[in-house]
Amino acid sequence: RKEVEQDPGPFNVPEGATVAFNCTYSNSASQSFFWYRQDCRKEPKLLMSVYSSGNEDGRFTAQLNRASQYISLLIRDSKLSDSATYLCVMFSGGYNKLIFGAGTRLAVHP
Amino acid sequence: NAGVTQTPKFQVLKTGQSMTLQCAQDMNHEYMSWYRQDPGMGLRLIHYSVGAGITDQGEVPNGYNVSRSTTEDFPLRLLSAAPSQTSVYFCASSQGQQETQYFGPGTRLLVL
Repeated sequence: RKEVEQDPGPFNVPEGATVAFNCTYSNSASQSFFWYRQDCRKEPKLLMSVYSSGNEDGRFTAQLNRASQYISLLIRDSKLSDSATYLCVMFSGGYNKLIFGAGTRLAVHP
Repeated sequence: NAGVTQTPKFQVLKTGQSMTLQCAQDMNHEYMSWYRQDPGMGLRLIHYSVGAGITDQGEVPNGYNVSRSTTEDFPLRLLSAAPSQTSVYFCASSQGQQETQYFGPGTRLLVL
């Protein structure tokens, strides 16, 4: 089983839609969690960190569920510019390294 | 402030050739790392460094060497290129391993 698993998508949604991605992880020792965004043929960039209490940044909301070992990303009022691949990333204390998911592709259409 | 820079952007090699991928950062970050990204897979750590003079292996180190003689530079050397090393290579730097990773624009490598 992969340490971090994401639905590869693509998620095709119209502008204005709400879309949610989940990411499951297998190592309960995972300490820190992040969502990165990667545009086509570009480098990944940090979108937001994920805190135990959940956190929101504008139209983006991230949640962590340690009991079920998953994190989620909710995007409200989708924009065309949200089209990208979203990478789930966690820091594994057990392995002392960052582990990247393969990404979920989002395509927002007019 | 250029952030993280990588050269070259693209490279085609023949099997058995060697080359060095360059990476530099101007943010005075101690932690630097090299990843490769292949279709359908997450970024995989090749080598990393926690400071000048200190390097260590990541998840997929075979066929690659690194050195860190200065805080700014972290080159990745392919010793004898193989088709399995065809990939996109990203260099990243950060204040620490759990901190925000700043990635360079990547090097697309094709090994024939």
